[in-house]
Amino acid sequence: GNSVTQMEGPVTLSEEAFLTINCTYTATGYPSLFWYVQYPGEGLQLLLKATKADDKGSNKGFEATYRKETTSFHLEKGSVQVSDSAVYFCALTTSNTGKLIFGQGTTLQVKP
Amino acid sequence: DGGITQSPKYLFRKEGQNVTLSCEQNLNHDAMYWYRQDPGQGLRLIYYSQIVNDFQKGDIAEGYSVSREKKESFPLTVTSAQKNPTAFYLCASSIDGTRATQETQYFGPGTRLLVL
Repeated sequence: GNSVTQMEGPVTLSEEAFLTINCTYTATGYPSLFWYVQYPGEGLQLLLKATKADDKGSNKGFEATYRKETTSFHLEKGSVQVSDSAVYFCALTTSNTGKLIFGQGTTLQVKP
Repeated sequence: DGGITQSPKYLFRKEGQNVTLSCEQNLNHDAMYWYRQDPGQGLRLIYYSQIVNDFQKGDIAEGYSVSREKKESFPLTVTSAQKNPTAFYLCASSIDGTRATQETQYFGPGTRLLVL
């Protein structure tokens, strides 16, 4: 079946450090891939998405490239801030139901 | 401003009681979804609706029920049959349920359900 695997957290970084959160997926067909962010006590917000192979999604300094050959969609940011501290979810959809399949989430803690 | 509202923010359920979580959107979206989030886990789909007066079970529908009588509203009832209801419940919507593979889902702020 379809699934998403994320690196386990928490990931703890100092401000201005480089961030990578790994995400790999298993899916039939041609999935669309998403990164969502959840701040404490809140709902999820879309961070970026990519709908076909080699697409790069980007937003607020975050980037992820849809790599079909490695079935990956790793999230990167060149210089993190304290305000980036949150839980990050990788997700995919493959069917016309719009059902999102989520990874377990990765907690990012950025220290000043 | 358009968006999704969920109420209440916190909800307490007694044993054997049914409770209803509200979800309203003014985005004019066709599709709406309910997810459950447990600590340290990703979200799991409970029910979804691609159009008014129609809805489908997700992966963990047992012990839950929904209705979709209006485009903007998709309430979720947690019945007494749901033996482990304590979780964070998130409602989402997307513009077009039939092209949902590429459509972004927008989430509400969530309702935290606790059992007394």
